[in-house]
Amino acid sequence: DTEVTQTPKHLVMGMTNKKSLKCEQHMGHRAMYWYKQKAKKPPELMFVYSYEKLSINESVPSRFSPECPNSSLLNLHLHALQPEDSALYLCASSLRATYSNQPQHFGDGTRLSIL
Amino acid sequence: AQSVSQHNHHVILSEAASLELGCNYSYGGTVNLFWYVQYPGQHLQLLLKYFSGDPLVKGIKGFEAEFIKSKFSFNLRKPSVQWSDTAEYFCAVNAKGYSTLTFGKGTMLLVSP
Repeated sequence: DTEVTQTPKHLVMGMTNKKSLKCEQHMGHRAMYWYKQKAKKPPELMFVYSYEKLSINESVPSRFSPECPNSSLLNLHLHALQPEDSALYLCASSLRATYSNQPQHFGDGTRLSIL
Repeated sequence: AQSVSQHNHHVILSEAASLELGCNYSYGGTVNLFWYVQYPGQHLQLLLKYFSGDPLVKGIKGFEAEFIKSKFSFNLRKPSVQWSDTAEYFCAVNAKGYSTLTFGKGTMLLVSP
């Protein structure tokens, strides 16, 4: 089992809906990440939070809105998504954003389908 | 910016065969290197990592990898694969001082019993 918990595991939503993905870790990690993974492709970085502050936004459309309310939680708010946004959304955490030799720990992901 | 190239997109082996998956990276500075595995329906798990010292690193489940700096390579090996090794394998790299990972496209390994 992974130490990074993501909910929900599956989500189906219409293009006009608003939903949120949640991610939680209790390993004391202060860097948290959102990735998008399409089928048979590698994970693509979306956002990086370091000490609860957004440090990297990889030019992600504004219909994806991340939030880090505390050091253990990371949310991804979704609004007006497009069918091409259907993918597996992965959350990860690591000890510190500048500790490059520490691995990232990944959650199981949320499989998102946009109708 | 760094990039990672995995040579094989699909590999099919019989049980007990030896495995070598290629990984090359492109970056002008010092890097850390990782291999992650994604079993069907499961999360990405770290197999092994290299950041300094002995270029031959051993990971979980009998996997090892060798960092060859002159070739910018970090190939993954296992002497004898098992059916349970069927999974997607990703090589990843980050630059020293930055945790952000760049992944290769992945290699899907299918081991037939």
